[in-house]
Amino acid sequence: SQKIEQNSEALNIQEGKTATLTCNYTNYSPAYLQWYRQDPGRGPVFLLLIRENEKEKRKERLKVTFDTTLKQSLFHITASQPADSATYLCALDRGSGGSYIPTFGRGTSLIVHP
Amino acid sequence: NAGVMQNPRHLVRRRGQEARLRCSPMKGHSHVYWYRQLPEEGLKFMVYLQKENIIDESGMPKERFSAEFPKEGPSILRIQQVVRGDSAAYFCASSPGGARYEQYFGPGTRLTVT
Repeated sequence: SQKIEQNSEALNIQEGKTATLTCNYTNYSPAYLQWYRQDPGRGPVFLLLIRENEKEKRKERLKVTFDTTLKQSLFHITASQPADSATYLCALDRGSGGSYIPTFGRGTSLIVHP
Repeated sequence: NAGVMQNPRHLVRRRGQEARLRCSPMKGHSHVYWYRQLPEEGLKFMVYLQKENIIDESGMPKERFSAEFPKEGPSILRIQQVVRGDSAAYFCASSPGGARYEQYFGPGTRLTVT
């Protein structure tokens, strides 16, 4: 069966360090993968989209890698700040079937300590 | 430039009543998606619509749930004869193109069925 796995345990790091979050998937052949941030009681906010033919993408302090062989994406936040504390969701499309609707993982909670 | 708007933000219904959730996409977006989120669970896709068309409703329960996106006005998610299990946060998202584009989420409607 298809699965998207994100670490269910919260990631605790110190301010200034690099946070690395993992998204693993099985039985998908996604054309793209996205990362979103969600704060409690709010809707997700789009961060980055990476396509299957791209290995890496950057935006300010954020970096995403996409390894279709390992079936894994890594999401990095460099020089992390307490304001980065949130739940981070990965999403990838269902591929064949035509509609390419994204399926979301359950998310990983990041807590950045001052 | 207003983002995605959803109303009401909170909705309380008694069992057996109807719930109507509204979503106005971002200006210029003609693709709308509805998701449901339960506590400690991921976002679950329900339906994908374009103006006057349902593109993909594979995540929609077969009974009691319906959605529309008319030529004029907001998209509506309708839940008839609500039950306690319908209590959840319902998020709407819009995108500038098809499903391979990033999505912009609204603040959500929190439905409570008593």
